[in-house]
Amino acid sequence: GAVVSQHPSWVICKSGTSVKIECRSLDFQATTMFWYRQFPKQSLMLMATSNEGSKATYEQGVEKDKFLINHASLTLSTLTVTSAHPEDSSFYICSARGAGETEAFFGQGTRLTVV
Amino acid sequence: KNQVEQSPQSLIILEGKNCTLQCNYTVSPFSNLRWYKQDTGRGPVSLTIMTFSENTKSNGRYTATLDADTKQSSLHITASQLSDSASYICVVSAAAGNKLTFGGGTRVLVKP
Repeated sequence: GAVVSQHPSWVICKSGTSVKIECRSLDFQATTMFWYRQFPKQSLMLMATSNEGSKATYEQGVEKDKFLINHASLTLSTLTVTSAHPEDSSFYICSARGAGETEAFFGQGTRLTVV
Repeated sequence: KNQVEQSPQSLIILEGKNCTLQCNYTVSPFSNLRWYKQDTGRGPVSLTIMTFSENTKSNGRYTATLDADTKQSSLHITASQLSDSASYICVVSAAAGNKLTFGGGTRVLVKP
């Protein structure tokens, strides 16, 4: 399958700071990228869907000003958690899908801990 | 409302034994159903994907079945290994908008 890489794998930040997570499709052009959040022992929850070159579509209850998503190229999307708080600590996972494809491939996830 | 229910929530099996995980869904209109394996602290990895017309698909020791009439799927793990310890997630894709609905997952622990 196609390769999707997330960076960093884990990050610890202080409360009030911002953190950027990158999601790259390494061997295909990702026209659509998805960002998920996963709390311990729970399944993935979709936060937002981003299409290259346009604004992201956020799911209900997800603050777009807090979780900034940029999808400026066909191989890179970024999620910035602004003014992070301890309750934002979670596992963030991206997935990427090529044009006309039905399957999206997942990154390895980023563990965010806000202290 | 589109929903995917998985059972059991967790199970413990002895190495070498078989087990079967269940997935019931109400997603409509149906496009495809996928099973993923997610190791702790990692992203999900696809095991199988089945469309409406497929009723069984294998990937090594993993065999998935699909009954589109009853909207049920199962994932059978044969001769379990310690490395099979993970969460297994059933994901159903709706034909409209290609939106994914995730099940809650089944956590499998294989003991020696």
